[in-house]
Amino acid sequence: GESVGLHLPTLSVQEGDNSIINCAYSNSASDYFIWYKQESGKGPQFIIDIRSNMDKRQGQRVTVLLNKTVKHLSLQIAATQPGDSAVYFCAENPSYNQGGKLIFGQGTELSVKP
Amino acid sequence: DGGITQSPKYLFRKEGQNVTLSCEQNLNHDAMYWYRQDPGQGLRLIYYSQIVNDFQKGDIAEGYSVSREKKESFPLTVTSAQKNPTAFYLCASSIAYWDHEQFFGPGTRLTVL
Repeated sequence: GESVGLHLPTLSVQEGDNSIINCAYSNSASDYFIWYKQESGKGPQFIIDIRSNMDKRQGQRVTVLLNKTVKHLSLQIAATQPGDSAVYFCAENPSYNQGGKLIFGQGTELSVKP
Repeated sequence: DGGITQSPKYLFRKEGQNVTLSCEQNLNHDAMYWYRQDPGQGLRLIYYSQIVNDFQKGDIAEGYSVSREKKESFPLTVTSAQKNPTAFYLCASSIAYWDHEQFFGPGTRLTVL
């Protein structure tokens, strides 16, 4: 399954399938991009980040891809599990001088069907 | 256990009253942040503090106030001047302001009656 964060805020996938969550960012000078997972009624949890000088970074069952040409970021989750159901936010760090000031996207809700 | 805590989890307030939301961290982080989250939306920055005794306005500071008298504490006051205060409030911290990795608390849901 595939989703564009701002235009399709919900994504429903079958357990075991791969999920792709997309995000468009605004600032070509952003230095870091971060993905957060937020379960219902809880605070966001850091998943993975990628620096602007990288195209791809892998974590445990997750991969983040960065396409600076079109200012696009994606989060791929392999073998999606029911525990992956949550809202996923991308965030960008505008520049080094902005420090911790992050700009968050709208979020995409991932629903995993057993 | 190291972490960031917020209290209370749910808060109800009558219109016209000020209310203070608590945020405490024992991570020894210098920087702390307050965000507001409305249904179906991303997080918006209210205030942030780079270091103790310092704080700066974020993107939506009107109707809010903060203090940072201790490194581990960053309380947020929602004043009666905030026109639409019902929201989910999230506190976060990072090692230093230059560090983009922020750790979030569990949030406080404020409802104005």
